[in-house]
Amino acid sequence: QKEVEQDPGPLSVPEGAIVSLNCTYSNSAFQYFMWYRQYSRKGPELLMYTYSSGNKEDGRFTAQVDKSSKYISLFIRDSQPSDSATYLCAMSASDSNYQLIWGAGTKLIIKP
Amino acid sequence: NAGVTQTPKFQVLKTGQSMTLQCAQDMNHNSMYWYRQDPGMGLRLIYYSASEGTTDKGEVPNGYNVSRLNKREFSLRLESAAPSQTSVYFCASSEAYSQETQYFGPGTRLLVL
Repeated sequence: QKEVEQDPGPLSVPEGAIVSLNCTYSNSAFQYFMWYRQYSRKGPELLMYTYSSGNKEDGRFTAQVDKSSKYISLFIRDSQPSDSATYLCAMSASDSNYQLIWGAGTKLIIKP
Repeated sequence: NAGVTQTPKFQVLKTGQSMTLQCAQDMNHNSMYWYRQDPGMGLRLIYYSASEGTTDKGEVPNGYNVSRLNKREFSLRLESAAPSQTSVYFCASSEAYSQETQYFGPGTRLLVL
């Protein structure tokens, strides 16, 4: 079993829909939770970063961490065609020695 | 301000050939990383350099070597390429002790025949 599981998709939704992307993990030591966005044939870019549990909001994006369930989510409101990309979750523990553990990524398609 | 740059963008090698992938960053970051990305596998860390003068193995270091040439540059060398090393390679950088916030280059697509 992988340390971080992420549904690869593709997930296809109409423009304007609310999107929910999720990752589950097995290591209870993870404290840092990130969402990176990767456009086709580009490098990933950091979208959201959350420490420990709770919610964090940035514009149309909300990151949610539930440590008791070992489950993190990224919500996108009023989705736009420009949100079409692969979304990667990543996690690390405080003693991770510079190593992030990555999900495989979910490909999201927003249909105009 | 170019961020993280990588060369080449694309390369085809024959089994057994060697090559060096180049990476440079202009953000004055202390830490640099090399990843490979394969379908369904996510990003896997090959090597990282926490600071100038240090390098450490990541999850999948076999078949690779690295050099942290100076604070800006971090190269990845394949001494004897194998088809299993066909992948997309990404270089990234971050400030010291901020590995959660990494800045990635555009990637190098490598095909080993």
